[in-house]
Amino acid sequence: DAKTTQPTSMDCAEGRAANLPCNHSTISGNEYVYWYRQIHSQGPQYIIHGLKNNETNEMASLIITEDRKSSTLILPHATLRDTAVYYCIVGSSTGANNLFFGTGTRLTVIP
Amino acid sequence: GAVVSQHPSRVICKSGTSVKIECRSLDFQATTMFWYRQFPKQSLMLMATSNEGSKATYEQGVEKDKFLINHASLTLSTLTVTSAHPEDSSFYICSGRVLEKLFFGSGTQLSVL
Repeated sequence: DAKTTQPTSMDCAEGRAANLPCNHSTISGNEYVYWYRQIHSQGPQYIIHGLKNNETNEMASLIITEDRKSSTLILPHATLRDTAVYYCIVGSSTGANNLFFGTGTRLTVIP
Repeated sequence: GAVVSQHPSRVICKSGTSVKIECRSLDFQATTMFWYRQFPKQSLMLMATSNEGSKATYEQGVEKDKFLINHASLTLSTLTVTSAHPEDSSFYICSGRVLEKLFFGSGTQLSVL
């Protein structure tokens, strides 16, 4: 699986949009971009994923560049409960493949 | 999303005892489940992949005789930490795949005294 690069930490003001970047320059054609988050002492929570088109759901938006070498997760109106470690992962969607978790971005939402 | 139930959420045991952790897929069938370990302030590390009806696949450096995995049905995988020692204290998490997504259990915090 391709590896990703994310900033170690970010702050965001409550109510503002949080934009979390991710570089995945070695992504291959059949690999998806996944975003998960982990709140302290809990299992990771699925947020969103995409292949090449931008995606939006009730939690967030995912913007993938045309060359697919980077992406941005957008939390449109960050709340204090969004404070967590956010993992950007690229991986195959088929078979029994695991997703490799890097170090992630620790997002702190500030009141 | 799919639901993965993991129990217990926290366990404290004495050194040398064995601990079993259960992972159940509540609303989907999982032919494959993944077991991770996470040390404080570190990321998740894959330990092994359990396969329903066959042997688990272990990652390099993970002792298969110490971390026994059983995946006897399509909805249940178990991880048994045998003869636990303090260095086995960690946060253990399981996950199951539904189509292209992984869904995770809530994790088990193991503390070995």
